[in-house]
Amino acid sequence: NAGVTQTPKFQVLKTGQSMTLQCAQDMNHNSMYWYRQDPGMGLRLIYYSASEGTTDKGEVPNGYNVSRLNKREFSLRLESAAPSQTSVYFCASSEDGRWGEQYFGPGTRLTVT
Amino acid sequence: KNEVEQSPQNLTAQEGEFITINCSYSVGISALHWLQQHPGGGIVSLFMLSSGKKKHGRLIATINIQEKHSSLHITASHPRDSAVYICAAPPMDSNYQLIWGAGTKLIIKP
Repeated sequence: NAGVTQTPKFQVLKTGQSMTLQCAQDMNHNSMYWYRQDPGMGLRLIYYSASEGTTDKGEVPNGYNVSRLNKREFSLRLESAAPSQTSVYFCASSEDGRWGEQYFGPGTRLTVT
Repeated sequence: KNEVEQSPQNLTAQEGEFITINCSYSVGISALHWLQQHPGGGIVSLFMLSSGKKKHGRLIATINIQEKHSSLHITASHPRDSAVYICAAPPMDSNYQLIWGAGTKLIIKP
């Protein structure tokens, strides 16, 4: 039981490049989330998916798109990376949105130069 | 003003001390999460509670919904408890978004 996995662990992009961060969970959870964490700051929600087939914007969605590919997988895409998107990105999942504990992936450290 | 506030921001203590981290919130909530972020960056959920008290090993979490306050206690603290402890709460009008505290950085010295 791997829990929540994320790939890649590290990535360096040039400004304007695109990339997709992958996230998968094997706990049969309904809800999945993408957060970013900037140095010295708390987690900020980018997008979430309450259930398979639905996605909604969080606090900081600009510059990102998401896809809930199936119940297991939730990807985050940066279409044209900017230095302001340098951050650590965490994927999380929970069985039930409000009432469920969130389980986090190990994070992806992204640097945009 | 952040709707979820933690205190203290930083806490340094000696091994063995009893630790208390506080979380106060101004919004109406139905439950509260406590999480731990290790120095390496990994985030682990510790508790989710909506009333009373929960205990897991040396960790105890309490909540008073009416007073809008929660505490996380660590008994017999150990250097491996050094981490950032974060509280987060789902507001009543949202099923999926959490309001996050800024975190409390705890250092336990041997």
